[in-house]
Amino acid sequence: DAGVIQSPRHEVTEMGQEVTLRCKPISGHNSLFWYRQTMMRGLELLIYFNNNVPIDDSGMPEDRFSAKMPNASFSTLKIQPSEPRDSAVYFCASSLGLAGAGYEQFFGPGTRLTVL
Amino acid sequence: SQKIEQNSEALNIQEGKTATLTCNYTNYSPAYLQWYRQDPGRGPVFLLLIRENEKEKRKERLKVTFDTTLKQSLFHITASQPADSATYLCALDIGNDKIIFGKGTRLHILP
Repeated sequence: DAGVIQSPRHEVTEMGQEVTLRCKPISGHNSLFWYRQTMMRGLELLIYFNNNVPIDDSGMPEDRFSAKMPNASFSTLKIQPSEPRDSAVYFCASSLGLAGAGYEQFFGPGTRLTVL
Repeated sequence: SQKIEQNSEALNIQEGKTATLTCNYTNYSPAYLQWYRQDPGRGPVFLLLIRENEKEKRKERLKVTFDTTLKQSLFHITASQPADSATYLCALDIGNDKIIFGKGTRLHILP
């Protein structure tokens, strides 16, 4: 298996533009997580899905952020409009089950987002 | 407030010695705790999980302890090697099928 795939790996955009990050989880995994990592705040959970259904989006910073999982093999995280404070590395992770059961999470390589 | 703290931002250890990293938490009663390794420019990679009823877990040169009374986990790397240099993150089960991550400790193994 190729592991969790994220695209793009790097994104530079201007303030106000729409940004879409993409993720393909590991086949057979039924939980998917979106995280954001910064030096100041570390790794923060934004939202997670189980069987393609959003379970908890309490970590999504504001209405400018939205995430979808239309099928088991694809998810998007969208920021519209983007702001400089959204600059961070965004990770997608997948696992065989929910975190409550202790399943390990497999992380993608991340998307480094820079908003000018 | 709920917190998870890792002992230091960076730790320098001489090759061959044992590196010990600390993860402390408050206001949680986790069912388990996980440790991940993160290399620069990459996503975290799972290393070990320890459950609340386990005092110690080992995997090759790695050892994790979990003291629910002290609310602390210790992560040990014995016979450390330069290749062990990375950032190590602890992750805590906080219920509701969520885990939270500490900010990590950057470990440098000096040759």
